[in-house]
Amino acid sequence: KNQVEQSPQSLIILEGKNCTLQCNYTVSPFSNLRWYKQDTGRGPVSLTIMTFSENTKSNGRYTATLDADTKQSSLHITASQLSDSASYICVVSASSGGYNKLIFGAGTRLAVHP
Amino acid sequence: GAVVSQHPSWVICKSGTSVKIECRSLDFQATTMFWYRQFPKQSLMLMATSNEGSKATYEQGVEKDKFLINHASLTLSTLTVTSAHPEDSSFYICSARVRGTIDTQYFGPGTRLTVL
Repeated sequence: KNQVEQSPQSLIILEGKNCTLQCNYTVSPFSNLRWYKQDTGRGPVSLTIMTFSENTKSNGRYTATLDADTKQSSLHITASQLSDSASYICVVSASSGGYNKLIFGAGTRLAVHP
Repeated sequence: GAVVSQHPSWVICKSGTSVKIECRSLDFQATTMFWYRQFPKQSLMLMATSNEGSKATYEQGVEKDKFLINHASLTLSTLTVTSAHPEDSSFYICSARVRGTIDTQYFGPGTRLTVL
């Protein structure tokens, strides 16, 4: 069964600190892995996308890593800001007969406090 | 970048009424659009896949007669919640897959539905 699990479920950090969110997946056949940021009451916005051959991808203060052997990914946020408070969703794309299917994680709710 | 819009952004209705939500791809064509539902503190749950010019494909457990989907053009899909009940209150999000790609999707901003 295709699954994406994220940890922690929620996280509180102080402004300026770094944090790392985890994503483990059992998805086959794997196509790519994406991290999305979802602000409360808004739709998800893509942060990074990585294919099987990519180990790391950065987008400003966001850096995602992918270990395709262990089927793990992480999202590292550097020098957090109050605006980073949001849910971060790991989404794995599975190849499925011509079009891919997206498998969503439950998300990590990050709160950045001043 | 590609933009997907939803209208309305929020709606409050009485129990028993029907509500229509529109999803538009503003600067690209989308042969396929997806409708998701998201309850508080939960992730997105796929409800149905909407293909332009054909019937939608519904996920298991989603009532097709209650959630009517129409995808009349390459830039517009609509979701109609018929005879809405309070348990239908949720955040509805659409996404659109760029025509010619296998999984390049962009999400709309969502529609908050509250049924009284």
